[in-house]
Amino acid sequence: NAGVTQTPKFQVLKTGQSMTLQCAQDMNHNSMYWYRQDPGMGLRLIYYSASEGTTDKGEVPNGYNVSRLNKREFSLRLESAAPSQTSVYFCAERGSGGASETQYFGPGTRLLVL
Amino acid sequence: AQSVTQLGSHVSVSEGALVLLRCNYSSSVPPYLFWYVQYPNQGLQLLLKYTSAATLVKGINGFEAEFKKSETSFHLTKPSAHMSDAAEYFCAVSDPPGTYKYIFGTGTRLKVLA
Repeated sequence: NAGVTQTPKFQVLKTGQSMTLQCAQDMNHNSMYWYRQDPGMGLRLIYYSASEGTTDKGEVPNGYNVSRLNKREFSLRLESAAPSQTSVYFCAERGSGGASETQYFGPGTRLLVL
Repeated sequence: AQSVTQLGSHVSVSEGALVLLRCNYSSSVPPYLFWYVQYPNQGLQLLLKYTSAATLVKGINGFEAEFKKSETSFHLTKPSAHMSDAAEYFCAVSDPPGTYKYIFGTGTRLKVLA
């Protein structure tokens, strides 16, 4: 997981509260991602950013917003948390293709919404 | 739409036995293929990848996978399981190849019995 950091590691929210999950990468890659991981469902893409200033919806964007502040940082915001958003959230960034093609993942943020 | 199927959400093997984790994809055009490993409370880590070069791919920790176009498969193997191999394994595809879009399977949890 070298190169991708996420904060916080763990968070408990009450329904309706808001929070921002932070992600930063130091590998100078353009593409960054937010996924959620739920038991038996693998990873599902929430939002994607191809480069600074651009973002696109993934498979499950409802209830989330993102901000690509600069090349290094990509944040995920929950405006009004719901119990269905209890999950583990992973930020990832993608290598530049060819031999470097892969995604590098952060350690995750475990979110519990009561 | 592209999909990834991992047969068996849980697999148990004895220490020293062969590990075989199955992955099938649905695309008619060979995508890029990946296997990731996730240890408890950690992010995903790349084990190995196929990006249209050699069909037999060797990865870290003694794992390897063979791309079989005729079977649309990319099964992961290791000749002799070690206790430290206990983890969850995810197969993923990049489709079209080299694009941002990664599709993940639902994961296989490997248990290694002493």
